[in-house]
Amino acid sequence: GENVEQHPSTLSVQEGDSAVIKCTYSDSASNYFPWYKQELGKRPQLIIDIRSNVGEKKDQRIAVTLNKTAKHFSLHITETQPEDSAVYFCAASIGSGNQFYFGTGTSLTVIP
Amino acid sequence: SQTIHQWPATLVQPVGSPLSLECTVEGTSNPNLYWYRQAAGRGLQLLFYSVGIGQISSEVPQNLSASRPQDRQFILSSKKLLLSDSGFYLCAWRGRGGMNTEAFFGQGTRLTVV
Repeated sequence: GENVEQHPSTLSVQEGDSAVIKCTYSDSASNYFPWYKQELGKRPQLIIDIRSNVGEKKDQRIAVTLNKTAKHFSLHITETQPEDSAVYFCAASIGSGNQFYFGTGTSLTVIP
Repeated sequence: SQTIHQWPATLVQPVGSPLSLECTVEGTSNPNLYWYRQAAGRGLQLLFYSVGIGQISSEVPQNLSASRPQDRQFILSSKKLLLSDSGFYLCAWRGRGGMNTEAFFGQGTRLTVV
């Protein structure tokens, strides 16, 4: 199956700084790459996603970039706020397939 | 609108006891259904997924099994729990039809095996 690696596992930034989380995937057929945010004790929720026909997508302070050649994608959070503190997961999926694989997660702490 | 229900929210079970976690989805038909496990401080590990009634695919060999007796019902079971089965179990669903769609998660079940 697909192998999704995510780095770093923990990340601390000062409020207002940017945070970048990177993921790589192994299956070149993967074509859907969502990012989820999980607050402590709660369910993961989608924050942004990107499909393989797009290189970059932005939604206010968050953006995702995709490099299909290198098989990696990244989450960028600008002007971080304390409420951004959570665990973030990347995932990869093949559109016509059914498996949905997640990275190992990044625990982000935004220091006020 | 679609909703997903998962229960119980917390569970403490002794080693060797059976397990049954249930997940149901409302407001959609023929969804893909998933069971994930999240160990403390770890990522989301795909355990099982199902594309239809009675169709179960297992991702990792383990002490657990899954069943889908109805279109929108997904059950995770074990005959004899191990200590290593402790974790946060999440059920999820995705739409079908060949589209790249997000996964929606249930509230999760925190299982502690003692």
